Amino acid sequence: DGGITQSPKYLFRKEGQNVTLSCEQNLNHDAMYWYRQDPGQGLRLIYYSQIVNDFQKGDIAEGYSVSREKKESFPLTVTSAQKNPTAFYLCASQGAGPQHFGDGTRLSIL
Amino acid sequence: SQQGEEDPQALSIQEGENATMNCSYKTSINNLQWYRQNSGRGLVHLILIRSNEREKHSGRLRVTLDTSKKSSSLLITASRAADTASYFCATDRAAGNKLTFGGGTRVLVKP
Repeated sequence: DGGITQSPKYLFRKEGQNVTLSCEQNLNHDAMYWYRQDPGQGLRLIYYSQIVNDFQKGDIAEGYSVSREKKESFPLTVTSAQKNPTAFYLCASQGAGPQHFGDGTRLSIL
Repeated sequence: SQQGEEDPQALSIQEGENATMNCSYKTSINNLQWYRQNSGRGLVHLILIRSNEREKHSGRLRVTLDTSKKSSSLLITASRAADTASYFCATDRAAGNKLTFGGGTRVLVKP
C-alpha cells in the first residue's frame, strides 16, 4: 500500500540530546512537510521541501533541522536548541492532490 | 501564526444528529480544506473547496465558503459514533502549497 511511514511512534529525549524523527513515503510525491502539534492545538509548519536537495523554513523552524537527500525521505532532527520539544510531530507529503499525513511521532522529554 | 480559527472548540451530539462547525480566516486564499484527525493519528483529507466555489458536497459532508466574510462551514449530517474526531480547516498560502491550520473542533458523537 502507498503511504507515509513515521518512526518511531514514541520517542524520548534527554536534556542536551539531538534526536531524529524518520519520515518515508512511497507515493512518489515531490513535496514533503513537517508539522508540530501541541495538545488541543492545530498544526504549525516547521520545514518543507518542494524537491530533492531543497528545503525551506516554515513558521517555527528554530531548533529544528532537516535534509532531503532522497525523494522518499525527509528526516527531522530536533536539536538541543529546541527548548520545548515535547509535542506530536506529523509528516506529510503532496503530489497533485491534497497533503497525505503519516501517523505521527510523539516526542517527550526525560 | 494560525490563520484559521474554528468555532466551536468542542461539540457533543447524539448519534443521528447533524454537526456544524465554522472556520474563519484572515487573508485571501486559493482554496480551503477540511481534515479529520482521530485521537493520536495523522490527519485525513475530507474535502477541498476552491475560492470560486460556494458549496461542495461529499457523502454526508457539506462545505460552504463565503469569501466576502472569509469564513467556511462544515456540516456532517446523520452523525455516527465513528465521526468522533477533531476537525481542522486549512487554508493554502500563495507560495509553496503551504497550509495554515486552524485550532480544530473536537466532535464527540454519543451512541
